[in-house]
Amino acid sequence: QKEVEQDPGPLSVPEGAIVSLNCTYSNSAFQYFMWYRQYSRKGPELLMYTYSSGNKEDGRFTAQVDKSSKYISLFIRDSQPSDSATYLCAMRGGAGGTSYGKLTFGQGTILTVHP
Amino acid sequence: DADVTQTPRNRITKTGKRIMLECSQTKGHDRMYWYRQDPGLGLRLIYYSFDVKDINKGEISDGYSVSRQAQAKFSLSLESAIPNQTALYFCATSDWGGRNTGELFFGEGSRLTVL
Repeated sequence: QKEVEQDPGPLSVPEGAIVSLNCTYSNSAFQYFMWYRQYSRKGPELLMYTYSSGNKEDGRFTAQVDKSSKYISLFIRDSQPSDSATYLCAMRGGAGGTSYGKLTFGQGTILTVHP
Repeated sequence: DADVTQTPRNRITKTGKRIMLECSQTKGHDRMYWYRQDPGLGLRLIYYSFDVKDINKGEISDGYSVSRQAQAKFSLSLESAIPNQTALYFCATSDWGGRNTGELFFGEGSRLTVL
């Protein structure tokens, strides 16, 4: 079993839709949770970062972490064609743990927002 | 100019050939990484280096080797390429500093095809 599981999609939605992207994980040592966005033919770029459980909002994007369920989500409101990309969840442990120095990624979800 | 530069961007080679992918960065970060991306598998860590004298294996290091020539340079070698090493390879850097987010900064990728 992979440490981080993410539905690869692909996911296709109309412009203006609310998008929900999710990851589950098995390593209870993970404390830092991130979402990266990767446009075609580009490297991934950090989109959202959350420490431990809770919500974080940035414009149309909301990241949620539920450590008790080992489940993280990214919501995109009022989705735009420019949001079309691959979204990768990533996570790591805290200081002193074996996963401290490196990120573990999900498989990535391919999202297409059509006009 | 890009902060993290990978060369070559594209390479087609034959089974058994030696290949080197090079990465250089101008961000001044100590930590450098090599990841491999395959459809449906996400990003998988090959090797990482926390400073010039530190080299660590990732989850899929077999068939690969690395060299950290300087703080700014980290190269990945395939001594005898095989077709299942056909993939998109990413170099990344990070600076944990005071923010301690572990954010990775990626290059634009090197697409390798082994025939």
